[in-house]
Amino acid sequence: VQLVESGGGLVQPGKSLKLSCSASGFTFSSYGMHWIRQAPGKGLDWVAYISSSSGTVYADAVKGRFTISRDNAKNTLYLQLNSLKSEDTAIYYCARGYRYNPHVMDAWGQGASVTVSS
Amino acid sequence: DIVLTQAPLSVSVTPGESASISCRSSKSLLSSKGITSLYWYLQKPGKSPQLLIYRMSNLASGVPDRFSGSGSETDFTLKISKVETEDVGVYYCAQFLEYPLTFGSGTKLEIK
Repeated sequence: VQLVESGGGLVQPGKSLKLSCSASGFTFSSYGMHWIRQAPGKGLDWVAYISSSSGTVYADAVKGRFTISRDNAKNTLYLQLNSLKSEDTAIYYCARGYRYNPHVMDAWGQGASVTVSS
Repeated sequence: DIVLTQAPLSVSVTPGESASISCRSSKSLLSSKGITSLYWYLQKPGKSPQLLIYRMSNLASGVPDRFSGSGSETDFTLKISKVETEDVGVYYCAQFLEYPLTFGSGTKLEIK
């Protein structure tokens, strides 16, 4: 199982960014996927989940601003970040949901760094 | 939201000794199916988190049996017996009973 995030960077407040997570080593289309973030020096903060059938759930802090999506043909998970705020600054991890309990994150990527600053 | 409170904030352990980390939930994590939805992760320095314990007391694949998890519906303990230098990092408990999924604030384990 390999998950590789990309698309991070420095962005101004109010702007947008799109993260990608390329998956390999498993049948991507059969698994739910998560995004989790970690602010500098802080703990883990769940952001969003997308099921294998593309149903979605979001944390209140990002609802209406972030959009999780997937392209099964490309084995890729996405997170569109809009209206970014300084408090969105974090490392963003994608994680696979366990096959028999998709809430459980059983494999994580190495993370993509997002910095929101003017 | 379910709040998970971890203690202590940090622990310093001599190699070969034991360490215990507590996690208290603001709500019962026992599901209607009789499963306790409490999980433990370890984030080693500079790495992404890795699953240690699932459903309160089950070792994830590849995790040494020096690690064990126990608890009730709201109070949980991760025990590491015979701590090794490779065990350093931050330990997080997590609940996957309901959304939003939440994590404890973490306990940093250091070696003396």
